Amino acid sequence: ELKVEQNPLFLSMQEGKNYTIYCNYSTTSDRLYWYRQDPGKSLESLFVLLSNGAVKQEGRLMASLDTKARLSTLHITAAVHDLSATYFCAVDVLYNNNDMRFGAGTRLTVKP
Amino acid sequence: DAGVIQSPRHEVTEMGQEVTLRCKPISGHNSLFWYRQTMMRGLELLIYFNNNVPIDDSGMPEDRFSAKMPNASFSTLKIQPSEPRDSAVYFCASSPDPPQEYSNQPQHFGDGTRLSIL
Repeated sequence: ELKVEQNPLFLSMQEGKNYTIYCNYSTTSDRLYWYRQDPGKSLESLFVLLSNGAVKQEGRLMASLDTKARLSTLHITAAVHDLSATYFCAVDVLYNNNDMRFGAGTRLTVKP
Repeated sequence: DAGVIQSPRHEVTEMGQEVTLRCKPISGHNSLFWYRQTMMRGLELLIYFNNNVPIDDSGMPEDRFSAKMPNASFSTLKIQPSEPRDSAVYFCASSPDPPQEYSNQPQHFGDGTRLSIL
């Protein structure tokens, strides 16, 4: 069974600091996603990572994928308050009827 | 372009009642997904349709839950009879193609239906 583990689950950080969220998954996967969810809101797609070594950046967020280690990271650079949200990674397996699993989410709070 | 549209946004009803949640996917998207989100269990995939056909319903919790997609622009998730433990936020998502190698299209989520069963 495909399992997706994120850590940390809760993260409180000061503005201007850097931090990394980790996403481990248990079986070979074909695509990894990062989503953002604001309280009471929907999920917004941030990144889709397709291959080993893929790196994508958008503003202060950078995501990478290591398929051999079954690990993805979401790195936050010089955090600002607007980044406060819950971040989910999700993994799907193409050849298993799109069995897609989400991590538990990392609730990020950026304090002034 | 309109996103995924779900209705109602909020639903409060008494246990035992039938509940119907509705979803209109993004036009041209041929994959549709229903998810349930709770604090205890996080985000769970309930069922997935491709070209209006249910592909995988292994996430549907029990027979009280059923989902249909009569055409490419509409899907329903029905709970009958509803129970308090069904209280959750239910999301519908769509994507423009079935999972294909090297496809970079994420799933687009609706705003969700917040369901409370009393």
